[in-house]
Amino acid sequence: QKEVEQNSGPLSVPEGAIASLNCTYSDRGSQSFFWYRQYSGKSPELIMSIYSNGDKEDGRFTAQLNKASQYVSLLIRDSQPSDSATYLCAQMPGGFKTIFGAGTRLFVKA
Amino acid sequence: NAGVMQNPRHLVRRRGQEARLRCSPMKGHSHVYWYRQLPEEGLKFMVYLQKENIIDESGMPKERFSAEFPKEGPSILRIQQVVRGDSAAYFCASSRDRGHGQPQHFGDGTRLSIL
Repeated sequence: QKEVEQNSGPLSVPEGAIASLNCTYSDRGSQSFFWYRQYSGKSPELIMSIYSNGDKEDGRFTAQLNKASQYVSLLIRDSQPSDSATYLCAQMPGGFKTIFGAGTRLFVKA
Repeated sequence: NAGVMQNPRHLVRRRGQEARLRCSPMKGHSHVYWYRQLPEEGLKFMVYLQKENIIDESGMPKERFSAEFPKEGPSILRIQQVVRGDSAAYFCASSRDRGHGQPQHFGDGTRLSIL
């Protein structure tokens, strides 16, 4: 079983809609979770971090963490074409090592 | 630019040659991580270094690959006798500290192509 699993997509949503990206992880000891955005040919860019159960909002982005279900998600409200990218879910089981999922490709149609 | 700096951005090598990839962390960061990304795949951890020390190299192939982070200068990822399968994007990331919740900030990567 992969340590961090994401649906590869592509996920296609119309402009203005809510995009919902999901991620499951296998290590129950994980304490830190991150969402990175990666445009094609570019480096990953940190957009959200979450450490405790519940929701965390930052602008149009909301991260949700459910440790009991080993599930973390990212909601993007009012999706824009510029949000089209690959979104990488990452966990930090402990210490320093960060484990990434393979990413979900998002397309926002104008 | 105070971000993570990697060079070169693109590197072309023939099979059997050596590839050297450089990474200068963000100002104030003393922890460096190297990742490899194959097309359509996620980032795979290779090695974690702190100044002059390799902390974890569990993701790095045992042969041909080595990494260092000297007291002065950038971190270097070295690949000897490159093969076609080494073609990938290599990303460096840095963090200020290690431990719970320390996010990593990435450089723009080096795209390595093996002819």
